[in-house]
This record gives sequence, C-alpha cells and structure tokens, in this order.
Amino acid sequence: NAGVTQTPKFQVLKTGQSMTLQCAQDMNHNSMYWYRQDPGMGLRLIYYSASEGTTDKGEVPNGYNVSRLNKREFSLRLESAAPSQTSVYFCASSGRDGSMTEAFFGQGTRLTVV
Amino acid sequence: SQKIEQNSEALNIQEGKTATLTCNYTNYSPAYLQWYRQDPGRGPVFLLLIRENEKEKRKERLKVTFDTTLKQSLFHITASQPADSATYLCALPFSGGYNKLIFGAGTRLAVHP
Repeated sequence: NAGVTQTPKFQVLKTGQSMTLQCAQDMNHNSMYWYRQDPGMGLRLIYYSASEGTTDKGEVPNGYNVSRLNKREFSLRLESAAPSQTSVYFCASSGRDGSMTEAFFGQGTRLTVV
Repeated sequence: SQKIEQNSEALNIQEGKTATLTCNYTNYSPAYLQWYRQDPGRGPVFLLLIRENEKEKRKERLKVTFDTTLKQSLFHITASQPADSATYLCALPFSGGYNKLIFGAGTRLAVHP
C-alpha cells in the first residue's frame, strides 16, 4: 500500500524555469492538497481539490497552478520559478466519503530555485 | 482571517514527564481539530482528531482537549520517551471548507533521557 507518492523527491531549478510536481494517491480519497513548508512558517496551503474536477485556492496560490487529472492524481505546476518558491512541498489526501478524516502526506519534494 | 498559534519555542522535558503543547486559534469556530507529528525530513503523520462536541480524546499515552470557549486545544504526552521527540502540528478546517485543512507552525518537542 503506497499511500501518497510524490515525484520528484529533490529538484533544483533556475529562476524562470518551469516544472510540474506530481502526486498520486491509492486510497480512493476525494480530497487532495498541496502545501509548502518553510522554516518557522509551518505548512501553508497552496491549492486544494475537494473532488475530481474541482480545485480551489488556498493561503498562498500565487505563482502556482494545479490540475486534478483524475481521482488519483493532483499535480502542481510552477510556470516561472522564483527563488521565493524554494521550499519543501507536500502533497496530501483525505476523505474517502467527504467527512472529517485524517490527511495522509507524501514524503515531500525539496525544491531549490537558484 | 483565521489564525492558528502554537508555541514557536522548543519544549524540552525529561523522560517520564508529561509534555503539554498548546494550540490557540482565532476568528473561527471549527467543527474539529487534528494533531499531527512530523519528524525531520518526513511528512506529517496524523495522531488524533477531536470534534467540537468532545472535551477530551485519548489514545494510548496521548490526550487531547478541546475548549471551544477559550478557542484552545491542549495536547498531552504522558510518560514521555526520547522517541517522542518531534514537531507537533495542530490543524483546523478552513472556514467554509469542511476538509480544507490549515496548519499551525508546530512546536518542537525534545525529550531528554
């Protein structure tokens, strides 16, 4: 049982480059999330998808786009990376039936923008 | 806007003692609150969920309280062990988003032998 799988684990980008972070879950969850974590800031929600076909902005959406490709997959795209986007990115999923349930997190993607 | 506050200073305690961590929130009345543990280099792992109509929840050596009047949750680890050393995060659902979770910055706990 893989849970939530993120790729890649590490990435270095140059300013202005684009990339897509991939996330897949195998728990049949409805909700999926993208967070970023910076020292002293905790986890901040970038985007959220309550169900397949829907997405919603979180606390810090600027500079990012997302796609809920199907129920399993939720990708995060940086169109033009900036040094301020250097962070650890976590994907999570929750809610088999839409009720309040725990969130399961991936192992994180460590992104450095130089 | 909603705000979650956790003590940013690390909590250092001796093995065997009870650790108590605090989570305060403002501008919101959440239906539930969750606690997570995060180890260095890893994603958070769910520990406990407590609903607004529950005052207390227990799981093994863990206990969570939820005071909706004070807008505060306390997280207790009894008989603490060095293996309990980690960062502990509280999380609440966004206003209007039942499962849309926001997190506090977390409190780092260090249990010394």
